[in-house]
Amino acid sequence: AQTVTQSQPEMSVQEAETVTLSCTYDTSENNYYLFWYKQPPSRQMILVIRQEAYKQQNATENRFSVNFQKAAKSFSLKISDSQLGDTAMYFCAFILQGGSEKLVFGKGMKLTVNP
Amino acid sequence: DAGVIQSPRHEVTEMGQEVTLRCKPISGHNSLFWYRQTMMRGLELLIYFNNNVPIDDSGMPEDRFSAKMPNASFSTLKIQPSEPRDSAVYFCASSLGRRGRSNGYTFGSGTRLTVV
Repeated sequence: AQTVTQSQPEMSVQEAETVTLSCTYDTSENNYYLFWYKQPPSRQMILVIRQEAYKQQNATENRFSVNFQKAAKSFSLKISDSQLGDTAMYFCAFILQGGSEKLVFGKGMKLTVNP
Repeated sequence: DAGVIQSPRHEVTEMGQEVTLRCKPISGHNSLFWYRQTMMRGLELLIYFNNNVPIDDSGMPEDRFSAKMPNASFSTLKIQPSEPRDSAVYFCASSLGRRGRSNGYTFGSGTRLTVV
């Protein structure tokens, strides 16, 4: 079974600073996709960034980038120049390229950006 | 596109009552998912449909829960009878087949259910 672990339940950072959110996962499969979702107080689940496991290059989306270490099964999210609007729950998620369509989530972590 | 539409946004009901949550997926998406979010258990997949057919309902907690997808544009999640431990946020999400996996799923705004 696939599992996703987010070991840091909560973090805080000062505005404009950089913060890294950690995520590890477990699977015996070789082809899969990884995601980071953001859930602000509005409750909406928003896709932040995605990574294909077959790509060695780390994905980037503006201020958001990932450090994908396939051998270590690690998928961390780096937020640069943190903004107050980045305050949210962040969820790491995983899905296989084939087979089940289940998107498996970690328990999430709460990020607070302080002014 | 209006995105995935869920209703109601909030629902408060008394224990023992029937509750029906509704979802309209994005037009053209052929997979639909129902998730439940609680503090204790995080986000759990309850059931998902592909082309209106239930594929995996192993996450449905009890027989009190049922889900239907009568057509490509509508799905319901029903709880009968409801219990206080069913209180949670229920999300609906949709995607377009295999391509949808790589793009992630699009989520609705969720329904916050409170059973008193």
